[in-house]
Amino acid sequence: DTGVSQDPRHKITKRGQNVTFRCDPISEHNRLYWYRQTLGQGPEFLTYFQNEAQLEKSRLLSDRFSAERPKGSFSTLEIQRTEQGDSAMYLCASSVDSKSYNEQFFGPGTRLTVL
Amino acid sequence: KNQVEQSPQSLIILEGKNCTLQCNYTVSPFSNLRWYKQDTGRGPVSLTIMTFSENTKSNGRYTATLDADTKQSSLHITASQLSDSASYICVVSSTGGSYIPTFGRGTSLIVHP
Repeated sequence: DTGVSQDPRHKITKRGQNVTFRCDPISEHNRLYWYRQTLGQGPEFLTYFQNEAQLEKSRLLSDRFSAERPKGSFSTLEIQRTEQGDSAMYLCASSVDSKSYNEQFFGPGTRLTVL
Repeated sequence: KNQVEQSPQSLIILEGKNCTLQCNYTVSPFSNLRWYKQDTGRGPVSLTIMTFSENTKSNGRYTATLDADTKQSSLHITASQLSDSASYICVVSSTGGSYIPTFGRGTSLIVHP
């Protein structure tokens, strides 16, 4: 257990529905990242926050994807009008701003299945 | 373009044997390189992290090496165990102001009894 938690762990939804995932980072970590991972691939960067500011969102896969971190603590990732191609593992990671390695600690992921 | 290439894509070995996984990168300017282990259906867990000045780092039966000149890294697993069956992902970060690391696709390792 890295200290990063994600909820839910699994989500099955029908095409066209909206889904929202939550990530709770390690408490003192000010950076939070979202990734998507499909089978046999490495994690694909989506977006990241420093405190409550979303510093990079150009790699969100489409305008159906959005993320928030309103108080600089937990974050949510929402996918609107889900498509079957959205089926994947969604990973959250957190890190602390330092002059060191900016090592990211990953949560267990949310497995999304779109029927 | 920053890239991380890993080989082999998959590997099957017998329990107790050693193996070596490779990682080549083109990330520049280089900050650090990490190896993660990812069990099926779980998030990645860090094994080792190395900066430019480090050329080897060990974590139990895992030993990572880094050649910053050739931009290559390897992860050596000694006396493999069934629990080593997982995907091993190489991740390289840049000092170029972006906190977005570059991930390899991973090597899938299966250890058979």
